[in-house]
Amino acid sequence: AQSVSQHNHHVILSEAASLELGCNYSYGGTVNLFWYVQYPGQHLQLLLKYFSGDPLVKGIKGFEAEFIKSKFSFNLRKPSVQWSDTAEYFCAGLRDYKLSFGAGTTVTVRA
Amino acid sequence: ETGVTQTPRHLVMGMTNKKSLKCEQHLGHNAMYWYKQSAKKPLELMFVYNFKEQTENNSVPSRFSPECPNSSHLFLHLHTLQPEDSALYLCASSQEHRGMDEQFFGPGTRLTVL
Repeated sequence: AQSVSQHNHHVILSEAASLELGCNYSYGGTVNLFWYVQYPGQHLQLLLKYFSGDPLVKGIKGFEAEFIKSKFSFNLRKPSVQWSDTAEYFCAGLRDYKLSFGAGTTVTVRA
Repeated sequence: ETGVTQTPRHLVMGMTNKKSLKCEQHLGHNAMYWYKQSAKKPLELMFVYNFKEQTENNSVPSRFSPECPNSSHLFLHLHTLQPEDSALYLCASSQEHRGMDEQFFGPGTRLTVL
């Protein structure tokens, strides 16, 4: 069974709009979660990660994510997107020392 | 540029061919990974190597054969593949294999099986 799921397959929005991408995990025990991003023609790279401590995690390029244990969620947010944020975003969870990825969300930002 | 390179970037092969994918990392990491990325499906972990030893084989068919001669190089040998094996194959590396560290990904090899 898929242990990490992403709600949206494709999100289209305009520059300066706010972005929120959903991610849910479905396993117990120690929870370690990641968001990766893949810009067009580029490699996957880490945006941010949560291991413990403050549930609000700040990442690169103005992104943040909030771990909400009661909702089994780790949603990614950015208050104001730019055209350069057009990319595919992947949520991943660490389970049994292995990364399990969601199916990804394609984000298209229109200028 | 992440410090992880993959060659070739594109590969087209017939079902009876034998080919190999190559991955090299210049980061001094001890763990290396092969993933398969198919359209509209989650990234699938295939193999994990730690200090050249295979620590994970995620029920991958034997037509995929990994090789890790040293901590910097990882190969994926392909033979008698099926059209459904067409996908983007990603290599990644991390400092250690327990997943706590960030994984650095290569650009991938786009494989098409005819």
